Amino acid sequence: NAGVMQNPRHLVRRRGQEARLRCSPMKGHSHVYWYRQLPEEGLKFMVYLQKENIIDESGMPKERFSAEFPKEGPSILRIQQVVRGDSAAYFCASSQQGRRVNTEAFFGQGTRLTVV
Amino acid sequence: TQLLEQSPQFLSIQEGENLTVYCNSSSVFSSLQWYRQEPGEGPVLLVTVVTGGEVKKLKRLTFQFGDARKDSSLHITAAQPGDTGLYLCAGPQGNQFYFGTGTSLTVIP
Repeated sequence: NAGVMQNPRHLVRRRGQEARLRCSPMKGHSHVYWYRQLPEEGLKFMVYLQKENIIDESGMPKERFSAEFPKEGPSILRIQQVVRGDSAAYFCASSQQGRRVNTEAFFGQGTRLTVV
Repeated sequence: TQLLEQSPQFLSIQEGENLTVYCNSSSVFSSLQWYRQEPGEGPVLLVTVVTGGEVKKLKRLTFQFGDARKDSSLHITAAQPGDTGLYLCAGPQGNQFYFGTGTSLTVIP
């Protein structure tokens, strides 16, 4: 998976707690994308960020979910007051360029969130 | 509405057989990418096709981009158990990469 690091790999939270998922992109990549995958379903886009900017958050629920990609440090996907329906695999991808022809995105191994 | 439709959704074949999976859209894409995802892992990029009509080969895998850049196919020759996984096509539109629903391939030894 070409160096995109996500942690933790597995996260268990009780309903109402907060979940923080981290993603360190590949070296030299300044574009980060977050996706959610439910069992037996495809990857659903959540948010696209560049350093310090949210470019497109059209796939992210308006409440309880937020994302950031600070100048220093990893990108964070934060889910407040988790509910059972938030249980899923969350994948982060990074790319060197933005949405252009030949842009290639490389994925991390994902964080599997389980809400009990 | 799914921008990229993949077929078949599930495919189970014997080792040594050939197979083709398809990725179709009513929209034109500037490029399409194919990924393979194994259980518990993230998708791994296999190839990017850019030019209409382009054919790329990766060992036993042959990828083709349609002339109109609305569809793509992946052909696997002499499938092996190690080919088992979820195959996803994806392409950029606007600010997003759109992913197909995937083809889940099982190769039986």
